[in-house]
Amino acid sequence: GQNIDQPTEMTATEGAIVQINCTYQTSGFNGLFWYQQHAGEAPTFLSYNVLDGLEEKGRFSSFLSRSKGYSYLLLKELQMKDSASYLCAVRDSNYQLIWGAGTKLIIKP
Amino acid sequence: ETGVTQTPRHLVMGMTNKKSLKCEQHLGHNAMYWYKQSAKKPLELMFVYNFKEQTENNSVPSRFSPECPNSSHLFLHLHTLQPEDSALYLCASSQGAVGTDTQYFGPGTRLTVL
Repeated sequence: GQNIDQPTEMTATEGAIVQINCTYQTSGFNGLFWYQQHAGEAPTFLSYNVLDGLEEKGRFSSFLSRSKGYSYLLLKELQMKDSASYLCAVRDSNYQLIWGAGTKLIIKP
Repeated sequence: ETGVTQTPRHLVMGMTNKKSLKCEQHLGHNAMYWYKQSAKKPLELMFVYNFKEQTENNSVPSRFSPECPNSSHLFLHLHTLQPEDSALYLCASSQGAVGTDTQYFGPGTRLTVL
């Protein structure tokens, strides 16, 4: 079966750095997405990785290792507004999106 | 962000009611999706429409009936729902239904079935 694993919940401190991991087992791979979802709101697109390595976008970076079936989302200089759920999704060989259950990130002052 | 809008935002209905959820996208996309999001579970893809044609139906019960009159509008008609159908229903759109196209989501309809 296809599976995406990410931690259920994480807590971090304002101003710090946090890394949210995502591991996947899918039938084929055609890219990995990270989305942010604030409570009661739409998931919003953060990043897309299809090649190995690090993609940086301001305070957010996303890393991919296809050989390890692994990605992480790195958030720097955490702000209170970063409190949200972070969803990892992988596009498989049929271009179907397989979703993780999301990681709820709690930021404390 | 008003690229994808959904109405209503909240809906409470009894098991014998009939209601409809509406989604509209203003992004010029050709593919639209319905997802179900339950607490602490992955997003469940329900239906996919590409150029108004349904291309995916992931074994969704017939009490959920989609309609896509044009590439900008998508409806989900609900009838004789069960309490376990209570969830957040998300609509999304993308330029195409395959390839590297990113999906853009609406804010969702929070559905409660009594």
